[in-house]
Amino acid sequence: QKEVEQNSGPLSVPEGAIASLNCTYSDRVSQSFFWYRQYSGKSPELIMSIYSNGDKEDGRFTAQLNKASQYVSLLIRDSQPSDSATYLCAVSYGTASKLTFGTGTRLQVTL
Amino acid sequence: DADVTQTPRNRITKTGKRIMLECSQTKGHDRMYWYRQDPGLGLRLIYYSFDVKDINKGEISDGYSVSRQAQAKFSLSLESAIPNQTALYFCATSAGFGYNSPLHFGNGTRLTVT
Repeated sequence: QKEVEQNSGPLSVPEGAIASLNCTYSDRVSQSFFWYRQYSGKSPELIMSIYSNGDKEDGRFTAQLNKASQYVSLLIRDSQPSDSATYLCAVSYGTASKLTFGTGTRLQVTL
Repeated sequence: DADVTQTPRNRITKTGKRIMLECSQTKGHDRMYWYRQDPGLGLRLIYYSFDVKDINKGEISDGYSVSRQAQAKFSLSLESAIPNQTALYFCATSAGFGYNSPLHFGNGTRLTVT
């Protein structure tokens, strides 16, 4: 059973701080990794994707992948109240483009 | 207009009724998926299709069936709805596989089975 684990939170950070969201996965043949943001009652929207070890930056977001430790994280710099949402980690296996999702971490950015 | 459109947005039905959820897309993607989302359980794959002639079961296909009527249309049916099928259902599409081909989700259908 391929698993993706996330802390459900809520993770509370003050406005302007760095939010760090973490995800571990169980299968070493995992190929691609995705972070989605989901506002309550809305559909998931892609934040970032990463497939190679190291960091990938896009604006205020940085995804970090460590395949040896089976660990992927998302850093949000200068957190804003509008970043308050649930963040879903997803892992793809093989060529089927099927994603296995974690249960999500709820982020609260406080004023 | 949304690239991936789901209808209806909300539906309340009774136990034992047959219900169909519809999904259409204008993204031109070959791959389409149905997921359900439950609190605390995350998104789980019900069925997926890589083209009109290719239908595959996901991890929780029991009690569901699908039809790929065209490249752009993928419907999910509950033949005899039961209360534990109450959930938020998402249709999604992708262009291929890998990190360059993420899933694109529709707006979801909130289904309540009483």
